[in-house]
Amino acid sequence: GAVVSQHPSWVICKSGTSVKIECRSLDFQATTMFWYRQFPKQSLMLMATSNEGSKATYEQGVEKDKFLINHASLTLSTLTVTSAHPEDSSFYICSASLGETQYFGPGTRLLVL
Amino acid sequence: AQSVTQLDSHVSVSEGTPVLLRCNYSSSYSPSLFWYVQHPNKGLQLLLKYTSAATLVKGINGFEAEFKKSETSFHLTKPSAHMSDAAEYFCVMNSGGYQKVTFGIGTKLQVIP
Repeated sequence: GAVVSQHPSWVICKSGTSVKIECRSLDFQATTMFWYRQFPKQSLMLMATSNEGSKATYEQGVEKDKFLINHASLTLSTLTVTSAHPEDSSFYICSASLGETQYFGPGTRLLVL
Repeated sequence: AQSVTQLDSHVSVSEGTPVLLRCNYSSSYSPSLFWYVQHPNKGLQLLLKYTSAATLVKGINGFEAEFKKSETSFHLTKPSAHMSDAAEYFCVMNSGGYQKVTFGIGTKLQVIP
């Protein structure tokens, strides 16, 4: 139980385009989901906390207009990277809370050319 | 302040020998503590968790950890390392239910055949 999926697992896009990443809790409902970014050989950096039915809470330094988060249902949160640039290339990981435990998705590798 | 310290960024062990990955925490509240494992280009998989029940916690793949409040530690151990254990391990703390968690920097475990 407690499975979180992400789609796509890999995405390559041109600079200036937008990319949407989906995060789904498959067998439980999650009021709260989190979006992280991970740089090579580093720990996860929290980007934002996504609450179902309300606006996301962004961490300091994260541009909310560039990283759009929507949590429209208890099983789905989406992260849209708008007008992507090469510096946005990274590994993006979501998690969903079940009680005190966060369950993580498999991650999405984004490469912006 | 809430913090998690993983004392070793790299640990190298021979296959079949014990594994010890160290984690210390600082929290103003009674924390929940977790160990996750991350294989390359993958998400984080929950190994085990401590949530104020038994202080010795058994997880998947033969791992276990002991919560020691007096030492503010939550070290991860395994009696005998397997090649498949080679990965990055994160110690994570939740100090407040549905709130965001605190990550350690990660420990890369290398298993030598």
